[in-house]
Amino acid sequence: DVKVTQSSRYLVKRTGEKVFLECVQDMDHENMFWYRQDPGLGLRLIYFSYDVKMKEKGDIPEGYSVSREKKERFSLILESASTNQTSMYLCASSLQAQGTEAFFGQGTRLTVV
Amino acid sequence: GNSVTQMEGPVTLSEEAFLTINCTYTATGYPSLFWYVQYPGEGLQLLLKATKADDKGSNKGFEATYRKETTSFHLEKGSVQVSDSAVYFCALRNTGGFKTIFGAGTRLFVKA
Repeated sequence: DVKVTQSSRYLVKRTGEKVFLECVQDMDHENMFWYRQDPGLGLRLIYFSYDVKMKEKGDIPEGYSVSREKKERFSLILESASTNQTSMYLCASSLQAQGTEAFFGQGTRLTVV
Repeated sequence: GNSVTQMEGPVTLSEEAFLTINCTYTATGYPSLFWYVQYPGEGLQLLLKATKADDKGSNKGFEATYRKETTSFHLEKGSVQVSDSAVYFCALRNTGGFKTIFGAGTRLFVKA
């Protein structure tokens, strides 16, 4: 069974902390994505990666960075957490093949206090 | 650019009622279309998909038909259950594209 695993379900961090959200997939997918989900705003793409060490900005990259050193792992980094980054964060992966769907992790609910 | 528009929720239905959630899209090229479902406290999971015009995707009693002439992919189910209560997302992935573009989501409540 295919799997995307996010390292934490719930996380509470203090303002100004550096925060790492980890995501691992076991499907040998080329593409990986980080979204945030907020009420009334749907899913917004933060960053994505289509290959190891490659990254592209999504719609809302400000305040975030990413790292993809290995194909199966995609990390989201909040350089200095702020309260407006309190949100649900969703990781996803997909093949590059045409017409294939994305597979999602269970989400990490991050609260910045 | 590419975009997906779906009906605003919440949608509240009684058990065994008929469900329609409208979805229209704008895309250059020939996108693949998807419906994802998100149950409370979980990530999204694929419900069904269609990869070319006139294809019908179906799963768990849900259906959607890829209508290129009306750029639509409406989700339907003949008889909803309480367990169908969730948020439903319409999405597209364009030809040669890496990204999936999501609609805003429609929350469905089904009452017993």
